[in-house]
Amino acid sequence: NAGVMQNPRHLVRRRGQEARLRCSPMKGHSHVYWYRQLPEEGLKFMVYLQKENIIDESGMPKERFSAEFPKEGPSILRIQQVVRGDSAAYFCASSRRGGNQPQHFGDGTRLSIL
Amino acid sequence: ELKVEQNPLFLSMQEGKNYTIYCNYSTTSDRLYWYRQDPGKSLESLFVLLSNGAVKQEGRLMASLDTKARLSTLHITAAVHDLSATYFCAVDMWVTGKLIFGQGTTLQVKP
Repeated sequence: NAGVMQNPRHLVRRRGQEARLRCSPMKGHSHVYWYRQLPEEGLKFMVYLQKENIIDESGMPKERFSAEFPKEGPSILRIQQVVRGDSAAYFCASSRRGGNQPQHFGDGTRLSIL
Repeated sequence: ELKVEQNPLFLSMQEGKNYTIYCNYSTTSDRLYWYRQDPGKSLESLFVLLSNGAVKQEGRLMASLDTKARLSTLHITAAVHDLSATYFCAVDMWVTGKLIFGQGTTLQVKP
């Protein structure tokens, strides 16, 4: 029973580069959530996706950030032209259905910007 | 906007002592979650509280929910060093299911 799989576990980028974070949900789960955790802080919701649809992106920064969950393959969180302030742990969670369903978290991707 | 506040944010306690972490939230929700996070690790689900008056216990941890007061508590009984971690409460937004997290309480249990 594979859990939520995120990769890479650690990602180092220089300012101005692009970062791509991947998340494969648990088997049978079609809902994916992305959260960001800044150092010494709690997790902040970024975006909620179902297959081929963005349901709620109210937590996404307006620029440079995008997310997708294609029909085939993992969900991708993409950060363009990264800046130092993007350094954080990015967690993905999945659930069988939205609302009232437990979310299972991956191990996260720790993004460091040089 | 829904806000979730925990207190205390940091707790240092001796082994064997009891203590309670509080989680207040600002709007109506009937589902509250407690998670544990060890440094550099992911979140481990501890409790899911689904209704007013719900109480759940696992080992030395007991969680309760009062939806009328918009308050959940996580009670630690006879703390041991292995409980040292950061504990988060989170409230579920009904329609989308996105979780709104508290700031976290870092628990340090000293021998």
